[in-house]
Amino acid sequence: NAGVTQTPKFRVLKTGQSMTLLCAQDMNHEYMYWYRQDPGMGLRLIHYSVGEGTTAKGEVPDGYNVSRLKKQNFLLGLESAAPSQTSVYFCASRSMAVPGDTEAFFGQGTRLTVV
Amino acid sequence: GEDVEQSLFLSVREGDSSVINCTYTDSSSTYLYWYKQEPGAGLQLLTYIFSNMDMKQDQRLTVLLNKKDKHLSLRIADTQTGDSAIYFCAESRTGNQFYFGTGTSLTVIP
Repeated sequence: NAGVTQTPKFRVLKTGQSMTLLCAQDMNHEYMYWYRQDPGMGLRLIHYSVGEGTTAKGEVPDGYNVSRLKKQNFLLGLESAAPSQTSVYFCASRSMAVPGDTEAFFGQGTRLTVV
Repeated sequence: GEDVEQSLFLSVREGDSSVINCTYTDSSSTYLYWYKQEPGAGLQLLTYIFSNMDMKQDQRLTVLLNKKDKHLSLRIADTQTGDSAIYFCAESRTGNQFYFGTGTSLTVIP
């Protein structure tokens, strides 16, 4: 039972390069989220999706794009990486099949360094 | 993010109780959560409380909710070295967005 899987786990980018982070979940969850974690700032929501083909902006969306072409995958793209995007990125998913709020399941994180 | 606040650090001696505090912003939040993050890992749900409750107890964990003051706390009884981690409170706001606090790093001294 894989749960939420993020790839890659580590990456070093040069300023201006692009990359895509992949999040895959095998729990048939409707909702998926991308967060970044920075020291002293907790987790901040970048973008989220409430279903296949839909995305929405969170607290800190600038410099990132997302796509949810398939229900199980949520992609986070950096078109032109900047040092300020050095962070640990977490993906999470949640089911809304049961009425009411439910637990969010997290991936293990992607540590990205932009030099 | 967005004004869910926690103190950054807490140190306690093994066997003592730990109390981690959180203030949140959205009075319409239905559920409030406590997550634990161990070094190099993702977040795992510890416990949660429904907004119409004042208290929830789950083994060594006690959650207290003061809706009037928008204050949430997590008490860990008989704290062990394995409890050393970062603890995040989170609220689920309208639009199904989760907002997390800044995290409290708990250090348990043997």
